Amino acid sequence: AQSVTQLGSHVSVSEGALVLLRCNYSSSVPPYLFWYVQYPNQGLQLLLKYTSAATLVKGINGFEAEFKKSETSFHLTKPSAHMSDAAEYFCAVSYNQGGKLIFGQGTELSVKP
Amino acid sequence: DSGVTQTPKHLITATGQRVTLRCSPRSGDLSVYWYQQSLDQGLQFLIHYYNGEERAKGNILERFSAQQFPDLHSELNLSSLELGDSALYFCASSVLGRGETEAFFGQGTRLTVV
Repeated sequence: AQSVTQLGSHVSVSEGALVLLRCNYSSSVPPYLFWYVQYPNQGLQLLLKYTSAATLVKGINGFEAEFKKSETSFHLTKPSAHMSDAAEYFCAVSYNQGGKLIFGQGTELSVKP
Repeated sequence: DSGVTQTPKHLITATGQRVTLRCSPRSGDLSVYWYQQSLDQGLQFLIHYYNGEERAKGNILERFSAQQFPDLHSELNLSSLELGDSALYFCASSVLGRGETEAFFGQGTRLTVV
């Protein structure tokens, strides 16, 4: 079955430090890839998406992700963490346009002052 | 604001009861998806409707059903509720067929079964 794995259910960084959230998917066919963020008591907000146009994708709030087919990965990074980045982050894949999303288990990001 | 509206925001009900969750998609979006978020199962796809027709089914229990109406709003009906049905239920919408791939999520309905 197709799946998404997010390494680390909880990641803690200091303010100003690099953020790296890992995501791997299981498929021989490159899917559509997404990162969503969920703030407490909120819905899911799209951070960025990969749809085969470019392997390095820039999103909102200074986040970016790189698609690496050879590693079946789509890790999310941000050069400098801000307190407001504290939230839960979900990696998701879809195998056809407009198809269902398969989510990873989520990574809770904490940012220490 | 994603443009997707879900009501109610919170719902507390007893076991054995039936509830209806409502979703209004973004203006112009023909696709509506329902997802369930729980601590033990994470985010799970339930069902997808496109322009009134069921497109795909996921891990949706037989006690659950959904429909999409001509005005494109959707309802998720949950019946014979059990404690384990307590979760956050999200609706998402997207435009299918215009090159867009992402889904936009509502704020969710938090269902508590007591």
